[in-house]
Amino acid sequence: AQSVSQHNHHVILSEAASLELGCNYSYGGTVNLFWYVQYPGQHLQLLLKYFSGDPLVKGIKGFEAEFIKSKFSFNLRKPSVQWSDTAEYFCAVNAPGQAGTALIFGKGTTLSVSS
Amino acid sequence: DGGITQSPKYLFRKEGQNVTLSCEQNLNHDAMYWYRQDPGQGLRLIYYSQIVNDFQKGDIAEGYSVSREKKESFPLTVTSAQKNPTAFYLCASSIRQTEAFFGQGTRLTVV
Repeated sequence: AQSVSQHNHHVILSEAASLELGCNYSYGGTVNLFWYVQYPGQHLQLLLKYFSGDPLVKGIKGFEAEFIKSKFSFNLRKPSVQWSDTAEYFCAVNAPGQAGTALIFGKGTTLSVSS
Repeated sequence: DGGITQSPKYLFRKEGQNVTLSCEQNLNHDAMYWYRQDPGQGLRLIYYSQIVNDFQKGDIAEGYSVSREKKESFPLTVTSAQKNPTAFYLCASSIRQTEAFFGQGTRLTVV
């Protein structure tokens, strides 16, 4: 079964600082990878996704993530964070080649950005 | 508007009662999911369904039950056997194993 590990439980940054949130998954086969964001009081939204192709994927609001297959990682990055990026971020994975599997989430990282 | 509708937004349950959370989608998605969100625990999978009349247990299915009689609907029943039901419950749907779309959630509190 797949599992997802997010390294940072709570990250605190000042505006304009760079962000990198770690995500590792455990599954030896082909995976689809996702980052979701949950702003305070709002529902979960998709930030970006990786299915295949270019391992560097760009998402909404200036976020990007890099898939490194050899490291089983899919880290989220943003060069310069804003106060409005304060939210909870979830990494998720599923296995498209394995019938009957569901989307599995990490425990999330809370990002607090001070202005 | 296409989307996923969860109701009610807030639900209070007395100890020993069963309650049912509603989830409806008009996205024509085959797959639907129920997750439980607790602080510091992320989203944990309760049940999922890839097709009508079929569903599978997730990681924390004990004390919960579901049905999938229609493509659009995937209700979750929290039974009295669930020892700690107070949580935020999220329903989602997807086209097979592409990205999932989420509802606004139901916050269940045991009183």
